[in-house]
Amino acid sequence: EAQVTQNPRYLITVTGKKLTVTCSQNMNHEYMSWYRQDPGLGLRQIYYSMNVEVTDKGDVPEGYKVSRKEKRNFPLILESPSPNQTSLYFCASSIRASGSYNEQFFGPGTRLTVL
Amino acid sequence: QQQVKQSPQSLIVQKGGISIINCAYENTAFDYFPWYQQFPGKGPALLIAIRPDVSEKKEGRFTISFNKSAKQFSLHIMDSQPGDSATYFCAPRDSWGKLQFGAGTQVVVTP
Repeated sequence: EAQVTQNPRYLITVTGKKLTVTCSQNMNHEYMSWYRQDPGLGLRQIYYSMNVEVTDKGDVPEGYKVSRKEKRNFPLILESPSPNQTSLYFCASSIRASGSYNEQFFGPGTRLTVL
Repeated sequence: QQQVKQSPQSLIVQKGGISIINCAYENTAFDYFPWYQQFPGKGPALLIAIRPDVSEKKEGRFTISFNKSAKQFSLHIMDSQPGDSATYFCAPRDSWGKLQFGAGTQVVVTP
């Protein structure tokens, strides 16, 4: 089944404790992206990757890191989480960044709470 | 700055009625105009999308109307069903692949 998977689905942690949220897709997509969803703000892009070893900042990159060593994986790293990073996180992927009707597929989400 | 303004925030419609959600944008470089549907506990899923060279697209009970000069597009849900109860997001896309999400509209369809 074609899908985007994220782990963990739920995470409660404390301020300053490094964590990684994994994202994997099995569709051989070039483009991957991370978004965070907060009430009243919709989803905002954190980082994106056009292909392996090519990453760039989105609208809200502060406090996050990413890497793209393999085409299928795009982990999100919080080196020193803070309470303002409490949010619902989504990973998404598409064949390419642009192109007509080039759908982005979203993972199931990771709910992160930073105490 | 808020590049995408979506309205209304929420709406309640009776079964069989019409739901209309509007989206206004500022960035003329957007090249693709999708609507996403999200159910509680799930990720957003593409519902319907339109290219900027088309003024209307219909898929079943869902229609997008696009007005390039006004920089607006809307989603119409005809014959609304209880299963349509969800949050809907407009999310125009730029050439770098970024979806610029609106704040979302919570739709409740009453039986």
